[in-house]
Amino acid sequence: AQSVAQPEDQVNVAEGNPLTVKCTYSVSGNPYLFWYVQYPNRGLQFLLKYITGDNLVKGSYGFEAEFNKSQTSFHLKKPSALVSDSALYFCAVRDGSVNAGNNRKLIWGLGTSLAVNP
Amino acid sequence: EAGVVQSPRYKIIEKKQPVAFWCNPISGHNTLYWYRQNLGQGPELLIRYENEEAVDDSQLPKDRFSAERLKGVDSTLKIQPAELGDSAVYLCASSLADARKDTGELFFGEGSRLTVL
Repeated sequence: AQSVAQPEDQVNVAEGNPLTVKCTYSVSGNPYLFWYVQYPNRGLQFLLKYITGDNLVKGSYGFEAEFNKSQTSFHLKKPSALVSDSALYFCAVRDGSVNAGNNRKLIWGLGTSLAVNP
Repeated sequence: EAGVVQSPRYKIIEKKQPVAFWCNPISGHNTLYWYRQNLGQGPELLIRYENEEAVDDSQLPKDRFSAERLKGVDSTLKIQPAELGDSAVYLCASSLADARKDTGELFFGEGSRLTVL
């Protein structure tokens, strides 16, 4: 069965410090991994994705994520946090195999609330 | 380029009343999704369309929820009658996905917040 885990409900970090939001996954085929951000009273915005290629993926707003196959992780990182990064972050995964069939459905984590303190 | 457009942004109704939400996806996107999101939780897929066809409606409570995507563009999600537990944000998303090209990411609208009293 496919699943995504975001082990931290909330992450607090001081402005200017590096941040990490954790995500681990389980998928039967080729993992397609995504991070989305949701600001208060807004829809979800795509941040970055891993499909294939380099394990380090760079995305919007200075965020990056590293695909680690052996640890089945896709942690979101940013070298220097901003107060404006405070939001809800969702990790999602789906099976990207050609014959994935119904496993193409995107599986979402429960989200991690990031609070960046000035 | 316009993003995914949803209306209304907010709707307050009494239980047992009907309600409808409308979504206009990004031009050219063949796949359309309706999600429900409760406060502090991740989105839950209700239905996914590929063009006009509903390819995954397994999570749609069909006794009271219905959806349509006539002509494979706009879509409407209806609840009739609404219950207290239907209070949530209803998100529409679209993507460009076919056997040759599936970029994977979804583009979301701002959502329609429903409050059932």
